[in-house]
Amino acid sequence: DTEVTQTPKHLVMGMTNKKSLKCEQHMGHRAMYWYKQKAKKPPELMFVYSYEKLSINESVPSRFSPECPNSSLLNLHLHALQPEDSALYLCASSRGGALNTEAFFGQGTRLTVV
Amino acid sequence: DAKTTQPPSMDCAEGRAANLPCNHSTISGNEYVYWYRQIHSQGPQYIIHGLKNNETNEMASLIITEDRKSSTLILPHATLRDTAVYYCIVRVTGTASKLTFGTGTRLQVTL
Repeated sequence: DTEVTQTPKHLVMGMTNKKSLKCEQHMGHRAMYWYKQKAKKPPELMFVYSYEKLSINESVPSRFSPECPNSSLLNLHLHALQPEDSALYLCASSRGGALNTEAFFGQGTRLTVV
Repeated sequence: DAKTTQPPSMDCAEGRAANLPCNHSTISGNEYVYWYRQIHSQGPQYIIHGLKNNETNEMASLIITEDRKSSTLILPHATLRDTAVYYCIVRVTGTASKLTFGTGTRLQVTL
């Protein structure tokens, strides 16, 4: 199983809503990532978790709150977002702890903030 | 992170080899070169990676110059389904290292 599953596939939320994006993998990977991708732009790294601990935060606003409850799950909690936060949110995982391991990406959650 | 430079777009006729170049002149000795592609509205897909030797798998070949300052991804027989944005990435060291995407090359395969 080389799959990273993201739910939901699409999400529309108001600026006052609280919602969560979910990412799951069962490959035994210990590194997990959140990326944000705007239209016609490359993915931008947001957060990296290593062995369930946050290891990289790319100066992401606090209205995005990541959580890694166990080694298979990664959540992104959203609160008080702005319309400019509308984007494709991608999750990825890799084996972690080694230099030359490929990352597997999910198909993303397309988020629209209204 | 070592920066990468790729042409913004390329065309290739179906059935022909697609050769996608990448410059990474500031690469460090222990950094790998990775290639990913992203087909429209899908998540990026891993293609291949290498350190200094040429590599080949079922999808592509990776040719890295001896000085490691540039590389070429080769799709030997491009098909319409290979139309995508191709990203050349240099992987930073670390326990959970960053995978930082540049602007990539938009490859259009045509009939």
